[in-house]
Amino acid sequence: DTGVSQDPRHKITKRGQNVTFRCDPISEHNRLYWYRQTLGQGPEFLTYFQNEAQLEKSRLLSDRFSAERPKGSFSTLEIQRTEQGDSAMYLCASSLSEGTGELFFGEGSRLTVL
Amino acid sequence: SQQGEEDPQALSIQEGENATMNCSYKTSINNLQWYRQNSGRGLVHLILIRSNEREKHSGRLRVTLDTSKKSSSLLITASRAADTASYFCATDPYNYQLIWGAGTKLIIKP
Repeated sequence: DTGVSQDPRHKITKRGQNVTFRCDPISEHNRLYWYRQTLGQGPEFLTYFQNEAQLEKSRLLSDRFSAERPKGSFSTLEIQRTEQGDSAMYLCASSLSEGTGELFFGEGSRLTVL
Repeated sequence: SQQGEEDPQALSIQEGENATMNCSYKTSINNLQWYRQNSGRGLVHLILIRSNEREKHSGRLRVTLDTSKKSSSLLITASRAADTASYFCATDPYNYQLIWGAGTKLIIKP
């Protein structure tokens, strides 16, 4: 299966620790997105890349959050000094910039901050 | 910020019945998409309707779009237990991101 993959699927950490999530998009997709989703809510946009360039970043993304997409392939989302409010599902999606606009999502990485 | 609002928030019906969910949004759009999410999983694209389209079908799904009312509906006919999931509408007021509603939680009772 060559869909979007995310790792790890679940992460439990203590407040103040750093965590990193990885996303491998569909190989030919040049756009990659990170969303955050809390229980009972829809996804909230965090950031997106076109190839290796980070083109937009939500105001929700504090300076404790950083995302990279070296060489325009996989992406990482790092959260430094985690807080309990960071507990959420972090979703990665990819798409083609010249496509229909459909996003292809991974299964998500669930973060629990104790 | 959430642009779309789905209605109802939750819907419980018997297997075989039809399920209708509605979505309202605030700004002009290029297209509107519907996605399904099973509990604890990622989202799966169901159907996309462009702003110049009024109705679209895909299998047991029927989507309508009324741009004058800034609203859309998703109809699932002959529901099955496997349709139990949350359904989200998403709009694209910006070229690079989708704006999502809070979803409708659909439960199909056997």
